[in-house]
Amino acid sequence: EDQVTQSPEALRLQEGESSSLNCSYTVSGLRGLFWYRQDPGKGPEFLFTLYSAGEEKEKERLKATLTKKESFLHITAPKPEDSATYLCAVQARIQGAQKLVFGQGTRLTINP
Amino acid sequence: EAGVAQSPRYKIIEKRQSVAFWCNPISGHATLYWYQQILGQGPKLLIQFQNNGVVDDSQLPKDRFSAERLKGVDSTLKIQPAKLEDSAVYLCASSPPWGTQSPTQYFGPGTRLLVL
Repeated sequence: EDQVTQSPEALRLQEGESSSLNCSYTVSGLRGLFWYRQDPGKGPEFLFTLYSAGEEKEKERLKATLTKKESFLHITAPKPEDSATYLCAVQARIQGAQKLVFGQGTRLTINP
Repeated sequence: EAGVAQSPRYKIIEKRQSVAFWCNPISGHATLYWYQQILGQGPKLLIQFQNNGVVDDSQLPKDRFSAERLKGVDSTLKIQPAKLEDSAVYLCASSPPWGTQSPTQYFGPGTRLLVL
């Protein structure tokens, strides 16, 4: 069964304390892995797309990496404004249609 | 560039009532998606349109949910009759046409539905 699992479910860090969020997937025919940020009461905001193993993308304090079975979102020296839910999604062909399958998200809280 | 617009932002109804949500995608985006996001979960695809045709509606509860995209631009999602378990955020997203790689989906702010 095609599946996307994110860990941990929730993470609390102190400002400046670096860490990583994990997204593991079991889909066949991966066509892309997407990271989104979602603030309370808002829709998901696009961060990165990764298409092949070994690929890396960076934006400010965030860096996303991809292997054949998982992706990591590394957060370096986070600030309180980085607090949000981070969603991982994989684009795959499921039952004959291209779909974006989301994980359940990681709730990140950065304490000042 | 204007983003995906959705209305209303909030809706409270009683079970067995009907409700409709509206979405206006980013200009030029041929593909439009409706997702359901239950609290604490990731979004789940309900239906996908390519222009005004349905590409995938395998996860749409067709006994109570319906959606249309007239003229290939705006779209409406309707629930009739609503059940308690329909309480969720309904997200609309749009994406440019497929090229050699998967297109990025851009999301609207969502409509928060509470069914009492």
